[in-house]
Amino acid sequence: AQSVTQPDIHITVSEGASLELRCNYSYGATPYLFWYVQSPGQGLQLLLKYFSGDTLVQGIKGFEAEFKRSQSSFNLRKPSVHWSDAAEYFCAVGPMFSGGYNKLIFGAGTRLAVHP
Amino acid sequence: KAGVTQTPRYLIKTRGQQVTLSCSPISGHRSVSWYQQTPGQGLQFLFEYFSETQRNKGNFPGRFSGRQFSNSRSEMNVSTLELGDSALYLCASSSSRGGEVNTEAFFGQGTRLTVV
Repeated sequence: AQSVTQPDIHITVSEGASLELRCNYSYGATPYLFWYVQSPGQGLQLLLKYFSGDTLVQGIKGFEAEFKRSQSSFNLRKPSVHWSDAAEYFCAVGPMFSGGYNKLIFGAGTRLAVHP
Repeated sequence: KAGVTQTPRYLIKTRGQQVTLSCSPISGHRSVSWYQQTPGQGLQFLFEYFSETQRNKGNFPGRFSGRQFSNSRSEMNVSTLELGDSALYLCASSSSRGGEVNTEAFFGQGTRLTVV
């Protein structure tokens, strides 16, 4: 079955510390991969996406993610966290066919808290 | 360019009633997808419309339905509301026909539905 696992429900880091949010997926083929961020009461904003090519992708707000096919992982990283990064982060996969990435399977999310 | 607009933002309905939610996509976008977000089940895909045709459907009962108009605006309807239908309903639009790179789904802020 297709699924996305985000093992960490809640993560707390200090401002300025590095961050890695984990994401593993189970899929029958190579999917499209995404990371979204959601602030309280808001919709989802795309941080970055992987379709093909270079396995290290850069996104907005200083985030990056690395696709590792052998580990079925797509972990999100940021070298130095800012207090404004506190939010909920969702990893998602979408199939590579017509309209596929408008039919996304989301992980349960990781809520990030940032200590000053 | 205006973003994805969902109306209303908040809604309170009584069990057994029906409700209609509206989504206006970004101008030029022809794909509209809907998601339900709850604390227990997370983000779940409901359905996707492209050029007035339902292209993908998630695993939801028939009480959940949708449609898309010729101007790409979309509505979703939930009949015979149950307490468990209380959720944040998110709409996303995309310019994609399918299979292209460098496109993404843009999310609205959602409609918060409370069933009492």
